[in-house]
Order: sequence, then structure tokens, then C-alpha cells
Amino acid sequence: NAGVTQTPKFRILKIGQSMTLQCTQDMNHNYMYWYRQDPGMGLKLIYYSVGAGITDKGEVPNGYNVSRSTTEDFPLRLELAAPSQTSVYFCASSYGAGFDTQYFGPGTRLTVL
Amino acid sequence: QQQVKQSPQSLIVQKGGISIINCAYENTAFDYFPWYQQFPGKGPALLIAIRPDVSEKKEGRFTISFNKSAKQFSLHIMDSQPGDSATYFCAASSGNNDMRFGAGTRLTVKP
Repeated sequence: NAGVTQTPKFRILKIGQSMTLQCTQDMNHNYMYWYRQDPGMGLKLIYYSVGAGITDKGEVPNGYNVSRSTTEDFPLRLELAAPSQTSVYFCASSYGAGFDTQYFGPGTRLTVL
Repeated sequence: QQQVKQSPQSLIVQKGGISIINCAYENTAFDYFPWYQQFPGKGPALLIAIRPDVSEKKEGRFTISFNKSAKQFSLHIMDSQPGDSATYFCAASSGNNDMRFGAGTRLTVKP
């Protein structure tokens, strides 16, 4: 199993550009998450999904959108990139809800200039 | 408002020493407390976790101590090794999908 994979690994965007961060898991997990990690701030939940077709907001959803058309994929969309979205983005998945282990991908480092 | 406060921000320990990282939480609804380990350029990985029905959990050299009345929990790494050098995050959740993370502790174990 590859686990959780994310693409791209690095990306530089200009202000106002849009992009999609890809996330795929091959563990048949129901739950998927998107976090952002800022220096000295830990991880903050952006969006999560409890299954295909079902998504919900986390702690910091503004400026992002998600979709979940399949069990495997959970892309994160940035519509109008802003410097405040410069961060490292992690996708994670788990079989069940809060008590189940979350497995993280390797991350995408995004810089908005 | 940070719901999980973690300290210290950084920690330097000699090989063979004990590393101690502390976390405090505010929300009494939290009932799951994991610790994650993150190496540079990698995603976090679950290290050890505890539920509040026990005061201590040990897995190898890693131990979580939990004090429900004080709303505090800590990670102890015994016989610390250079390979333990990483960033450690505590976290807390109430069994739902909204896990709150501490700010992280960068641990350096000197040979």
C-alpha cells in the first residue's frame, strides 16, 4: 500500500491564482482530512470528509473548497491564492472517527507571492 | 484561542537522557489524546495515544502520563536516542473529527 499520497510536493503561486492540491489514499478509509501547518502553530483542520459525497468545515475553512467524489480522492481547491495561504498542507485519512489513527501524507509546501 | 498548549517549544537532551514534553487542554469534552512524531520533510505519524480512563500508558521507551483533574498530559521518552530527534505534537479530540493540535516541540538528542 502507498498509504496517503499528495501532489505536488512544492508549488509557488502568484496572488490571485488558483490551484488544486491532490490527495489519494489506498487504504479504503472512510474519513479524510486536510490540515495546514504553519511554523510554531501546530496543525489546523481545514476541511474533512466522512465519506464520498460528504464534506464539512474544520477550524480554518475560509479560502478553500473541497470535494469527495470517490473514497480514494479528496482534492483541496484554492480559488484566489493569498499570501496568508503560504503554508505546508497535509492530507490525512482514517478508517473511523476521532479515536482511529490518522495517517498523514508527506505534505505540499505552498508559497504564495 | 489555542485549545491545546504545548511546552517547551524546543528541547535539547543528551543521549540516554529523559525527554519530557508537556501539554495542557481546556475543553473537558476531550477524551482522546494522541502524540504525533514528525521528521523533517515528512508528515506526522502517530506515536502513542491515551484515553482518560487510565493515568499512564507505556509503549517501549515512550510513556504518556495523564492527569485528568489538572487537564494535563505529558510525553516521556526514556533513554533518548539521536534517532528520536524530531518534532512532537500533542493533540486532543472529543471523538469527533475535529482534532486540536499543540504548537509542537522540536526535540534534539545530542550524541
